[in-house]
Amino acid sequence: DGGITQSPKYLFRKEGQNVTLSCEQNLNHDAMYWYRQDPGQGLRLIYYSQIVNDFQKGDIAEGYSVSREKKESFPLTVTSAQKNPTAFYLCASSIVSLGQGVYNEQFFGPGTRLTVL
Amino acid sequence: QQPVQSPQAVILREGEDAVINCSSSKALYSVHWYRQKHGEAPVFLMILLKGGEQKGHEKISASFNEKKQQSSLYLTASQLSYSGTYFCGTELADADYGQNFVFGPGTRLSVLP
Repeated sequence: DGGITQSPKYLFRKEGQNVTLSCEQNLNHDAMYWYRQDPGQGLRLIYYSQIVNDFQKGDIAEGYSVSREKKESFPLTVTSAQKNPTAFYLCASSIVSLGQGVYNEQFFGPGTRLTVL
Repeated sequence: QQPVQSPQAVILREGEDAVINCSSSKALYSVHWYRQKHGEAPVFLMILLKGGEQKGHEKISASFNEKKQQSSLYLTASQLSYSGTYFCGTELADADYGQNFVFGPGTRLSVLP
């Protein structure tokens, strides 16, 4: 079955450490996204990628980095520069990038819950 | 740029109806609706495009008033499974190609037996 996988489901990090969250999709989608969700809050865009080897900052990119070397994979690194990284992180993909004015639903992965100790 | 959703929260009994609203201060090309259950990923419900086209689940209905830049999601004869947080996402009509989509803050819906 096609879908998006994220790993790990739970992640604990010590202050000052970088951690990488995995996101893989087998839907053959061009566009991929990373969102951050804080308790009781909406989804805020961290980074998005419209195509392989290309990505753009979203609304809250500071302290995060991404890569898009393969169509299927879009890992997110939470660096030590991110001052408050404890949150629920969601990866999503869509056939093409949002903004092209087409039917373009996003498919979400199950999420990674990151806690800084 | 973030759309406004109302109400922030609503509590229903099974079988009752609810309307969730989403409004933007800017001209919109499309509105997307998602539902998220606690601790889970958001699930797609519906997309409404400027011009009247829409795509979504059969049991979900929604409207999109382009002139008012508003959308409403209609939940009729609610079931316990409808509980969750509903997010609208808006795609701006006049923004540059790329990053012009943003989610609203969500509406928390609780359906009681």
